[in-house]
Amino acid sequence: KQEVTQIPAALSVPEGENLVLNCSFTDSAIYNLQWFRQDPGKGLTSLLLIQSSQREQTSGRLNASLDKSSGRSTLYIAASQPGDSATYLCAVGGAGSYQLTFGKGTKLSVIP
Amino acid sequence: NAGVTQTPKFQVLKTGQSMTLQCAQDMNHNSMYWYRQDPGMGLRLIYYSASEGTTDKGEVPNGYNVSRLNKREFSLRLESAAPSQTSVYFCASSGETRDKTKYFGPGTRLTVL
Repeated sequence: KQEVTQIPAALSVPEGENLVLNCSFTDSAIYNLQWFRQDPGKGLTSLLLIQSSQREQTSGRLNASLDKSSGRSTLYIAASQPGDSATYLCAVGGAGSYQLTFGKGTKLSVIP
Repeated sequence: NAGVTQTPKFQVLKTGQSMTLQCAQDMNHNSMYWYRQDPGMGLRLIYYSASEGTTDKGEVPNGYNVSRLNKREFSLRLESAAPSQTSVYFCASSGETRDKTKYFGPGTRLTVL
């Protein structure tokens, strides 16, 4: 059974810092990996999706990488802003299934 | 283009009551999903519908039923609510029959007393 772990559970950084969020998964036979953002009391917003054949995806200040062989993904946020404060969720799509397996998230606080 | 919409936003039930959570998407997506989110547990898949007319169980289907009413709508029914079903419920949709980018609704916060 796929397990997804996100470390740390919470992270606090000063505004302007570059930061990395980590995601690890136990089964490397994945179809894709998706990073989401969740604001308090809100739904999930898709940030980036990486197919299993890709190594990274970029959108604005965000860059997500995928290393299937080691079972790891990172989300890099450049020049963090207070508006980036949210919980970031990593979700792994399994090959041959419709199910996404979610990590428990990293709660990010960017201090002005 | 509203994306994925869910009703109601909040609901309080007593143990044993029934209710239906509604979900609709206007993105012409084939696949739709119901998840629940609990503190310390992350999001877990309850049921999904790969295409109109089909539904399948996810990780935690017990106590729930679903109906894919048409391509746009996918409802989740609790026949006899239990306190263990207190959770935030999210509906999602995706554009193809495999795990492509999923778009989530704003959620329904359900409390069962």
